[in-house]
Amino acid sequence: QVQLQESGPGLVKPSETLSLTCTVSGGSFSSYYWNWIRQPAGKGLEWLGRIYTGGITNYNPSLRGRVTMSVVTSENHFSLKLTSVTAADTAVYYCAREETGDGMPYFFDYWGQGTLVTVSS
Amino acid sequence: DIVMTQSPDSLAVSLGERATINCKSSQSVLYSSNNKNYLAWYQQKPGQPPKLLIYWASTRESGVPDRFSGSGSGTDFTLTISSLQAEDVAFYYCLQYYATPRTFGQGTKVEIK
Repeated sequence: QVQLQESGPGLVKPSETLSLTCTVSGGSFSSYYWNWIRQPAGKGLEWLGRIYTGGITNYNPSLRGRVTMSVVTSENHFSLKLTSVTAADTAVYYCAREETGDGMPYFFDYWGQGTLVTVSS
Repeated sequence: DIVMTQSPDSLAVSLGERATINCKSSQSVLYSSNNKNYLAWYQQKPGQPPKLLIYWASTRESGVPDRFSGSGSGTDFTLTISSLQAEDVAFYYCLQYYATPRTFGQGTKVEIK
């Protein structure tokens, strides 16, 4: 059974950089797309972006260049960096795997439990 | 971006009755080359991540009870819970995976009447 686990600081100061890592276990890591999705308290889901195990990335333009994702295939983990954070970035951050077919990404089939990141001084 | 709009925002249904949630996309999510609708449904309970219920608009994920069904094509989709159980109280979200950025509906809260 594939398992994903987010880790990182739960509190980040305004204007600083949010950094999270997602560690994957129990299944194949290669040849999948790995995603970050967030959910502010009481609100809906926002897709932040994805990284393929080959390193190709796609980001949500709404983040205006503040996001960077990286992957370490040999260690089965991928990471998120979000710069210049504000209170609006306070949310539960989920990592998720995208099911693939013929090399194409589809729906999110496995999710981490999520980690709350609060932006506050 | 493809905008996903769900209706209603919330609904209260008696135990054993039918619950119907609608999802409309701002453009078609039907891929003509394979005739598949790139639409999924998720269930989210408090303190938990979303759980995949339905993909390709109507394919039930393994282990999902058959009281959950999905239908629709193009821009209009429906999630139906044929006989609401207490454990179905949750938020439900649709997702389009036709294009990036991936976008979700705003969510529908299902409660017991």
